[in-house]
Amino acid sequence: GQNIDQPTEMTATEGAIVQINCTYQTSGFNGLFWYQQHAGEAPTFLSYNVLDGLEEKGRFSSFLSRSKGYSYLLLKELQMKDSASYLCATMDSNYQLIWGAGTKLIIKP
Amino acid sequence: ETGVTQTPRHLVMGMTNKKSLKCEQHLGHNAMYWYKQSAKKPLELMFVYNFKEQTENNSVPSRFSPECPNSSHLFLHLHTLQPEDSALYLCASSQDGGTPSYEQYFGPGTRLTVT
Repeated sequence: GQNIDQPTEMTATEGAIVQINCTYQTSGFNGLFWYQQHAGEAPTFLSYNVLDGLEEKGRFSSFLSRSKGYSYLLLKELQMKDSASYLCATMDSNYQLIWGAGTKLIIKP
Repeated sequence: ETGVTQTPRHLVMGMTNKKSLKCEQHLGHNAMYWYKQSAKKPLELMFVYNFKEQTENNSVPSRFSPECPNSSHLFLHLHTLQPEDSALYLCASSQDGGTPSYEQYFGPGTRLTVT
């Protein structure tokens, strides 16, 4: 079966670092995506990993280990505007996205 | 208008009504998608169109009927819905075969309430 797991909710402090984990089991693998979704808004693309390792993009980094079926999204220097849901999704052998339920990140001052 | 637009943003309908959701993408993409998003659940892929041809129908009930008249427009026709169909309906587009990442661009969604 296909399954993506990520924590339901996390809380962090403004200025700190937070790591959001995602584990997956999918039929075929053509990469892993992270999206950000603010309440009442559309999901927006953050990152794509298809090879093992860390991809850094400003304050956000995404890591992938294909052998472990594991990824994380690392957010540094947290800002209040980072309060949002973070969606992990893998692309299966049919090039369709399989989504996790999302992690709601709450940033406190 | 830029990106992906959806209308209406909010819709309340009775179980016997017929309504349609509209999606338009201004990105020149060749693939369009309908997703259902319910609270605390993963995004559920409903339909996929590539070059106006439906390539995916994930066991969606027949009370949902998609239409893709051209590569820029996508409709979701609704009839005799059930209360459990209340959700956020998201449209997305992508350029399949283009960028390796097949990144999908989402519209703001239609918040549907079935009474």
